[in-house]
Amino acid sequence: NAGVTQTPKFRVLKTGQSMTLLCAQDMNHEYMYWYRQDPGMGLRLIHYSVGEGTTAKGEVPDGYNVSRLKKQNFLLGLESAAPSQTSVYFCASSYSGGSGNQPQHFGDGTRLSIL
Amino acid sequence: GESVGLHLPTLSVQEGDNSIINCAYSNSASDYFIWYKQESGKGPQFIIDIRSNMDKRQGQRVTVLLNKTVKHLSLQIAATQPGDSAVYFCRVGDTGRRALTFGSGTRLQVQP
Repeated sequence: NAGVTQTPKFRVLKTGQSMTLLCAQDMNHEYMYWYRQDPGMGLRLIHYSVGEGTTAKGEVPDGYNVSRLKKQNFLLGLESAAPSQTSVYFCASSYSGGSGNQPQHFGDGTRLSIL
Repeated sequence: GESVGLHLPTLSVQEGDNSIINCAYSNSASDYFIWYKQESGKGPQFIIDIRSNMDKRQGQRVTVLLNKTVKHLSLQIAATQPGDSAVYFCRVGDTGRRALTFGSGTRLQVQP
């Protein structure tokens, strides 16, 4: 099993450009998440999804949009990239039953730089 | 709001010694706790978890201790090896909420 796969692994954007980060999981998990990780800080939740066709805001949702058209995929979009969005982005998934009591499985991250 | 913090940002130990990484939390409703390991260039990896109805749980070379009275969690690694060098995060959650809180992480450096 591949687990959680993120693409691309690296990307450099100019301010104002748009892009989509793709996350795919092959564990049949109901819950999927997008986090960002900045130096010296913990993971911060951007958006999450509790099932196909549903999304919800996390702690830092501004400037991002998400879609969960298929159960196995969770897309994170930046409509107009800003330097403050330079970060490492992690996708995660977990079984249903409430994300508060299940371990999450993480991808290896997408390193995004906005110039 | 809930805060989750770590006592030591960097912990340096000798190979073969035991390591202890600590985590404090503030929400008394928290009932599920996880430790993750994050190696350089990789995503967090699940190590061990514990629920609030327990105060100790053991895995392979790792033990998690939970003190609900003082809202404190620790991860003990026995006979630390160079491969244990990584950043360790605690994650605190509760069954009634979907939002989770991660600590900022402690870097463990194992000296040969």
